[in-house]
Amino acid sequence: SQQGEEDPQALSIQEGENATMNCSYKTSINNLQWYRQNSGRGLVHLILIRSNEREKHSGRLRVTLDTSKKSSSLLITASRAADTASYFCAEDNYGQNFVFGPGTRLSVLP
Amino acid sequence: EAQVTQNPRYLITVTGKKLTVTCSQNMNHEYMSWYRQDPGLGLRQIYYSMNVEVTDKGDVPEGYKVSRKEKRNFPLILESPSPNQTSLYFCASSLRVTVSINSPLHFGNGTRLTVT
Repeated sequence: SQQGEEDPQALSIQEGENATMNCSYKTSINNLQWYRQNSGRGLVHLILIRSNEREKHSGRLRVTLDTSKKSSSLLITASRAADTASYFCAEDNYGQNFVFGPGTRLSVLP
Repeated sequence: EAQVTQNPRYLITVTGKKLTVTCSQNMNHEYMSWYRQDPGLGLRQIYYSMNVEVTDKGDVPEGYKVSRKEKRNFPLILESPSPNQTSLYFCASSLRVTVSINSPLHFGNGTRLTVT
């Protein structure tokens, strides 16, 4: 399987600003998932969007999915210093595996 | 508490000395998987298991073995570790058994392995 890509690789913003991360994937998906990883720790699931959904919200998170472009975006509104982490998208592609992108490193400056 | 437990957290070993990293989950999950994470490469899947006694190769299986004798445990075995296996390893599990179930992965806290 091939990895998708997140864009940008790194993002630095001020507290209170919005952060947008993009993900492109390569296969037909069952769903697409976003995860967060604090430095050196395990990944934590944030939000899952099914292939027949176009937008989903969870608290300050908003995820969109465009299956025609094979892309997704994660928006974090009103960012906080505690949002500093790496963010990964993962394709659930009807197979037995989840394919992760290389991630976006987000730094939120106080 | 629902969790995926990996041990050890840190491991330093020498080339060729067999080692096992254990992984256990208490959520009765069918699916388990091992990943390695390297700078700039993201997470790459090593092996996965859909159920007891069912395992399959991921993207980077060379140099690794796994077994799934019980539902809760999925150990990762390095028969003859080499320096290029120095990495951060994650075990993960999920409820999913079919494409109709949309279930996320639950990750362990990782094992940082150094092979000298």
